[in-house]
Amino acid sequence: LAKTTQPISMDSYEGQEVNITCSHNNIATNDYITWYQQFPSQGPRFIIQGYKTKVTNEVASLFIPADRKSSTLSLPRVSLSDTAVYYCLVGDSSGYSTLTFGKGTMLLVSP
Amino acid sequence: EPEVTQTPSHQVTQMGQEVILRCVPISNHLYFYWYRQILGQKVEFLVSFYNNEISEKSEIFDDQFSVERPDGSNFTLKIRSTKLEDSAMYFCASPGEGDNYGYTFGSGTRLTVV
Repeated sequence: LAKTTQPISMDSYEGQEVNITCSHNNIATNDYITWYQQFPSQGPRFIIQGYKTKVTNEVASLFIPADRKSSTLSLPRVSLSDTAVYYCLVGDSSGYSTLTFGKGTMLLVSP
Repeated sequence: EPEVTQTPSHQVTQMGQEVILRCVPISNHLYFYWYRQILGQKVEFLVSFYNNEISEKSEIFDDQFSVERPDGSNFTLKIRSTKLEDSAMYFCASPGEGDNYGYTFGSGTRLTVV
């Protein structure tokens, strides 16, 4: 499984754009990049998944450079409710394989 | 959005007692998973269950743990003789649906062993 590296924590203010970068130097050809969000005492929640270039949904955007050795989760105009831990995972895209979580990035959004 | 439902939300038990955690995964899925998260630590894989059989398990999932499907829609995680270190949040999960290419996790059961 490809190892991922993320910042331990980030701080932001309401209304700002937040970009969380994840390094995955050993990503395999068939691996996808998936991001989850977790609030305290809740289960992780799927945010977005991508293979290359850019993916956007109603919650976030995911930017993946051509070499795929890193990815950036972009949260536009964060609010206090976006305070959470964000996990970057690399692996099978099917949803039928085991997930390996790292420590994630604790995002704190302040007023 | 399809949900994964877990009960109870909180469980306090004495060391050595048996506990059963329950999960109703997204319907029509043959796969489901159990994960746990000790307070302040990573989410850890316990076991995957496919078509009424364990398909994969981690080192954590030792003989004190078992999973069952007592009926068509319910799944259980049983811990036979709880230890203090079993205190954690336990999450079950199903493969996602629609635009969710990952998992859908339940809201978890907080197990406290005293």
